[in-house]
Amino acid sequence: AQSVTQPDIHITVSEGASLELRCNYSYGATPYLFWYVQSPGQGLQLLLKYFSGDTLVQGIKGFEAEFKRSQSSFNLRKPSVHWSDAAEYFCAVGFSGGYNKLIFGAGTRLAVHP
Amino acid sequence: DTGVSQNPRHKITKRGQNVTFRCDPISEHNRLYWYRQTLGQGPEFLTYFQNEAQLEKSRLLSDRFSAERPKGSFSTLEIQRTEQGDSAMYLCASSPRTGTYEQYFGPGTRLTVT
Repeated sequence: AQSVTQPDIHITVSEGASLELRCNYSYGATPYLFWYVQSPGQGLQLLLKYFSGDTLVQGIKGFEAEFKRSQSSFNLRKPSVHWSDAAEYFCAVGFSGGYNKLIFGAGTRLAVHP
Repeated sequence: DTGVSQNPRHKITKRGQNVTFRCDPISEHNRLYWYRQTLGQGPEFLTYFQNEAQLEKSRLLSDRFSAERPKGSFSTLEIQRTEQGDSAMYLCASSPRTGTYEQYFGPGTRLTVT
């Protein structure tokens, strides 16, 4: 069965530090990959997506992610975190044969220290 | 483009009552999804519409749940005889007709069953 794993439930970083959030998926073919961000009590905002081509994708708010097929990973990175980045981050996988429903990981909650 | 809207934003109801939520997708999007998110978890897929046709339903969608999209525009999700376990955030998302499959989420309806 398809699944998404986000190994880190909570991460705390200092403002200005770099960030990497991990995401691993289980799927037999190349999936569509997404990162979403959710602020408290809000819906999800799309940060970036990967469908094909260049394995390093750029998103909004200075985020990027790299697809590594050999590791079944799609890790999210940001070189310098801002206090406003504190939120919950979800990795999601979509499947071309499944009406594109998304399978989400359990999320990583990011705290940013001043 | 005003994004995906959902109403109401919050609903408190007593166990056994029926509730109905509404989702208005982005106007040119023909694909509409419902998800449920419980505390500390990622969203879980409930059901998918392409235009007015309901093409997929999750096993999470028990007989007490029904969803409609009568004219291929807005959608409603009804829960009959609510139970405390139905307390969650109900998220709606829409996706464009062709191309890149990313889903745009509304702010959600938070349901509390007392």
